Amino acid sequence: GIQVEQSPPDLILQEGANSTLRCNFSDSVNNLQWFHQNPWGQLINLFYIPSGTKQNGRLSATTVATERYSLLYISSSQTTDSGVYFCAVVYGQNFVFGPGTRLSVLP
Amino acid sequence: NAGVTQTPKFRILKIGQSMTLQCAQDMNHNYMYWYRQDPGMGLKLIYYSVGAGITDKGEVPNGYNVSRSTTEDFPLRLELAAPSQTSVYFCASKRGETGGQETQYFGPGTRLLVL
Repeated sequence: GIQVEQSPPDLILQEGANSTLRCNFSDSVNNLQWFHQNPWGQLINLFYIPSGTKQNGRLSATTVATERYSLLYISSSQTTDSGVYFCAVVYGQNFVFGPGTRLSVLP
Repeated sequence: NAGVTQTPKFRILKIGQSMTLQCAQDMNHNYMYWYRQDPGMGLKLIYYSVGAGITDKGEVPNGYNVSRSTTEDFPLRLELAAPSQTSVYFCASKRGETGGQETQYFGPGTRLLVL
């Protein structure tokens, strides 16, 4: 089956810093989504981005489907950005999740 | 719309007990999913359904059963609870009319502890 990798596994930032999270996948996919799981466990959709670039406020994402990777950019990070960021790809009928990047933003 | 709802929020089971985790969605979505998330890990797919009466296994189906008698409901059954089933269970849904080209929506999760 498909392999989904994320890097880095853990990231600690000072409030106001910028960061880039990476998602690599081993096969062609129909869809890719980025999710944020907050410290209370809730999963929040960030982007549906099978290709190209999208921006939403301080967050943006780019997927290069031909090279099988996606990047999530967080600018001017805030403590509320803390949590785990997952990328998930649609492979066949199913979503396959990466292991996540745990982000801690310190005040 | 309430979106995707799950009950209970938290449950403690003894080894060998059985229970049903409830999931419902009011968005008229065709596709529904059950995932489990072990501590510090990503989500793994247990079962999924592409419509009423149709279910299929995901990556980790052993020890679980599902049914989909209506579009709205997708319950997950644990018949003989084992400590390895201690996890957080998430239900999700998507419309499913355009192949993979859609957002998946998640419920708040059910935290299960098997002792």
